[in-house]
Formats: sequence, C-alpha cells, structure tokens
Amino acid sequence: QLQLQESGPGLVKPSETLSLTCTVSGGSISLTTYYWGWIRQPPGKGLEWVGSIYYTGSTYYNPSLKSRITISVDTSRNQFSLQLSSVTAADTALYFCGRLRRGSAFDIWGQGTLVTVSS
Amino acid sequence: DIQMTQSPSSLSASVGDRVTITCQASQDITMYLNWYQQKPGKAPQLLIYDASNLETGVPSRFSGSGSGTDFTFTISSLQPEDIATYYCQQYNHPLTFGGGTKVEIK
Repeated sequence: QLQLQESGPGLVKPSETLSLTCTVSGGSISLTTYYWGWIRQPPGKGLEWVGSIYYTGSTYYNPSLKSRITISVDTSRNQFSLQLSSVTAADTALYFCGRLRRGSAFDIWGQGTLVTVSS
Repeated sequence: DIQMTQSPSSLSASVGDRVTITCQASQDITMYLNWYQQKPGKAPQLLIYDASNLETGVPSRFSGSGSGTDFTFTISSLQPEDIATYYCQQYNHPLTFGGGTKVEIK
C-alpha cells in the first residue's frame, strides 16, 4: 500500500527558505501515469495547489508562487522535495504531499506537516 | 487562472437528508473536476473524479454530475460520518480548488 510522509522543519524564520521532503513508500515514484505534488492549507482556510513534478523532473508550478518555488525529485531515494524561498507569515500552512493521478486528481495524500513562519 | 466558486460555504442537515453542493467554474472545464472530503485534522480524500466517477472504495451515496462550468456533488442520505468539509478541484493548469463547504449535522 503506497504511503507518503512529509518531513522538514516546523518553524522557519521570515525571509528564509522553507524545505520539505516527501518520502514515498510501498511503491515506486518512477511509475508512469503519476505526478507528485504539494498542496498547502493555511490554518482554518482552504486548499492551494503549490506545484507538481514528474519522475523525469518535469515541473508545474502555481504561477502565484513560481518565482519562489523549486520542486525536485530523487528517484534513488523515492523522494521529492519542495523549497519555498523568501517566506513570510502568509506561507504559514499545513503542507501536504500527494500523488497526482494522470496529472489530474490527488488520490493519495500524506498526513501533512505544519510549517510556521515566525521569528 | 480558473476560479472555482463553491456554494454554500456551510450547511446543516439531518441524518438521512439529501445534501447538494454546487461548484461553478469561471470558464469551461469540460469534465475536468474532482471532489474531495476533508475531515478535521486529516488529509483530504478523493471521492469523485472526472466530475462523475466514484473513486474505488467510496460509498455509493456520494455522487457527482455536471460539465462545462456547473457541477453538483450530492450525498443521497447524510450519515454522521459524513461530517467534513468538501472541496471541488479543477485540473486545467494551474490546478485550483473551490473554497470548501462545511457540512454539519442538524
């Protein structure tokens, strides 16, 4: 059974870079048909797609965040990662990683990790 | 970007009631629409994909319909375990979600 698990610091200082990793277990990240992505949810608010990546390294980013995002994949470790630079309090959110089936639907999600931006 | 407008933002219904949530896209998305359920403190779960297809393992009381710009999500008989927030999501790039509908028991 495929599982995803987010990891990374829970507290990041303003203007610094947020870094998260999603580890995929129980299956390969290199499967065709699937993309892998990040979604975030500010406390008490709705969902926002951050960006997605294919195992080949092809990326798709939310235009509103594109200047600050890098998503990468490490197929040897079955992991993909998010870096978000120049963070502010507005980037405080629960960050989920997910499997994106056919680039369309998130059919498997990690449990989420809360990242707080504060000095 | 395509904006997704969900309504209502919250609703209260009795067990056994039929519950309907609508989602309107700012432009034609054909059937590129999914529905998710998110229970408090949990990750969202995919319920309906491509507007009307029930995800494997999801109870048949959940259904979806629509195409173009107007979509409907229905719970045919509300159960206590359906208390959650429901989101629509379209998948023309960039992916966008609706604002959510919080469903409570009356």
